[in-house]
Amino acid sequence: AQSVTQPDIHITVSEGASLELRCNYSYGATPYLFWYVQSPGQGLQLLLKYFSGDTLVQGIKGFEAEFKRSQSSFNLRKPSVHWSDAAEYFCAGHHGSSNTGKLIFGQGTTLQVKP
Amino acid sequence: EAGVAQSPRYKIIEKRQSVAFWCNPISGHATLYWYQQILGQGPKLLIQFQNNGVVDDSQLPKDRFSAERLKGVDSTLKIQPAKLEDSAVYLCASSLMLAGYEQYFGPGTRLTVT
Repeated sequence: AQSVTQPDIHITVSEGASLELRCNYSYGATPYLFWYVQSPGQGLQLLLKYFSGDTLVQGIKGFEAEFKRSQSSFNLRKPSVHWSDAAEYFCAGHHGSSNTGKLIFGQGTTLQVKP
Repeated sequence: EAGVAQSPRYKIIEKRQSVAFWCNPISGHATLYWYQQILGQGPKLLIQFQNNGVVDDSQLPKDRFSAERLKGVDSTLKIQPAKLEDSAVYLCASSLMLAGYEQYFGPGTRLTVT
């Protein structure tokens, strides 16, 4: 069955430190992959997406993610975290050949930023 | 451009009562989604519309949940009767295309069933 897994439920980093949030996927073929961010009381905002091509994807707010087929991973990174990055982050996948827009989400990782 | 609008933002009801949520997608977006997000979990698709037709409702509990998008624009999701396990945030999203990879989400409706 198709699935997306985020192994870390909660991560705490110091402001200014680097960040990496993990995401693993299980699909029959390479899916389209996304990272969304959700601030308290807000909807989900798309940070970046991978469809094909260059495996290093740049997104908004200084985030990037790298697709690694050999590891079935799509980890999100940021070189220097700001206090405003504290939020919940979701990795999601879409079966590229599907006729529906159904996204399968991971469980989410809550990011806490220490001053 | 206005985003996806949802109302109400919060709702508290007792079990066995009914409730309805409303969503207005981004103008021009033909595809509309309803997701259920239980606390501590990622969103789960309940139903997807393309214009006013249902594309995928495989995970909609049809004995108690219903949804419609009569004129192909705004949509209503209803629960009747509600159960305690329906407590969640209900997110509406829209996209331009049927296999609309880039989905835009509304702020959600937080439902508490007591």
